[in-house]
Amino acid sequence: DQQVKQNSPSLSVQEGRISILNCDYTNSMFDYFLWYKKYPAEGPTFLISISSIKDKNEDGRFTVFLNKSAKHLSLHIVPSQPGDSAVYFCAANWGDYKLSFGAGTTVTVRA
Amino acid sequence: DGGITQSPKYLFRKEGQNVTLSCEQNLNHDAMYWYRQDPGQGLRLIYYSQIVNDFQKGDIAEGYSVSREKKESFPLTVTSAQKNPTAFYLCASSTGTGLYNEQFFGPGTRLTVL
Repeated sequence: DQQVKQNSPSLSVQEGRISILNCDYTNSMFDYFLWYKKYPAEGPTFLISISSIKDKNEDGRFTVFLNKSAKHLSLHIVPSQPGDSAVYFCAANWGDYKLSFGAGTTVTVRA
Repeated sequence: DGGITQSPKYLFRKEGQNVTLSCEQNLNHDAMYWYRQDPGQGLRLIYYSQIVNDFQKGDIAEGYSVSREKKESFPLTVTSAQKNPTAFYLCASSTGTGLYNEQFFGPGTRLTVL
């Protein structure tokens, strides 16, 4: 049973516009959330994270929002750039070192 | 230059053969992990190790085995009992000293069983 869900497998956005990626989770015990970026045939790289005591975390062009009551988080990329074209994974954990990953969203930034 | 190395990048094996995937890290991390990625799916945890000489099964451990004899190394053996071994395998590590630490990933090994 997948505890972290990314319901949009793909997203296409024009360069300079905002990209919004969504992630839903079912386990209310999750207390730390991460976003990873992955290029083809490479390992994922850490992008940004947020703990459950916050509702927003910002790092440059990337902002993650957490809505605990809705069990929902989102990643905003503003402005989107061609190098942002990749697969983005949402992940979550609680209590131990294991991460539960979503299926990923493929972002394509159009010139 | 610290990081995680996985070798080889591409690996081909005949059905019924065991194969071992290498993972080495020089980040001085205590915890190491093995994931499998299939098309359209997220990363699924195969095995993880929090400390040398100790490891635990993840969500899809059947048909796989691991060892953790050294802090730096966490090899994964894909046995002939794994029914669908063709996949992209990712190794990761983390400091393991706290809950809120991200995992760092290696470049991955694509295994194809013919």
